[in-house]
Amino acid sequence: AQSVTQPDIHITVSEGASLELRCNYSYGATPYLFWYVQSPGQGLQLLLKYFSGDTLVQGIKGFEAEFKRSQSSFNLRKPSVHWSDAAEYCCAAGASDAGKSTFGDGTTLTVKP
Amino acid sequence: ETGVTQTPRHLVMGMTNKKSLKCEQHLGHNAMYWYKQSAKKPLELMFVYSLEERVENNSVPSRFSPECPNSSHLFLHLHTLQPEDSALYLCASSQAAIGSGANVLTFGAGSRLTVL
Repeated sequence: AQSVTQPDIHITVSEGASLELRCNYSYGATPYLFWYVQSPGQGLQLLLKYFSGDTLVQGIKGFEAEFKRSQSSFNLRKPSVHWSDAAEYCCAAGASDAGKSTFGDGTTLTVKP
Repeated sequence: ETGVTQTPRHLVMGMTNKKSLKCEQHLGHNAMYWYKQSAKKPLELMFVYSLEERVENNSVPSRFSPECPNSSHLFLHLHTLQPEDSALYLCASSQAAIGSGANVLTFGAGSRLTVL
């Protein structure tokens, strides 16, 4: 069955520190991959997506993610976290023959001053 | 207005009430979705409409009834809900009509529902 796993439920980092959020997928073929961010009281906003090509993709707000086929992973990174990055981050995957995406459980990011 | 707008943002209802959630998208998208977001659970897809036709119904109880009168509007009619239905209900839209997992979703801010 298709699935997306985000191993970390909650992560706390200090402002200015680097960040990596993990995402693993289980699909029959390489899926389309997405990272969404959800700020408190808001809906989800697309940060970045991977469809094909360069395995390092750049997104909004200084985020990037790297697709690693060998590890079935699509981890999200940011070199220096800002307090405004505190939010819920959701990884999602979709297959070309299916019209819906599968979402992970989400990772809550807390940023310490 | 731009994007996807959901009303009301907050709703409290009793188990015998009938209420509706409304979603409107101003993006010219062809597909609209209802998702349920419960605490510490992944997003659950409820319904999908593509070009105003319902193309997916994920075994959702009949106490939830969707309606898509046109490509810009989507409703979720609620009746005789249970306390476990309390959640954040998110509406989303995508430019592509249903059929590909490559669809990028644009979400509304959600309607926080509490069932007493």
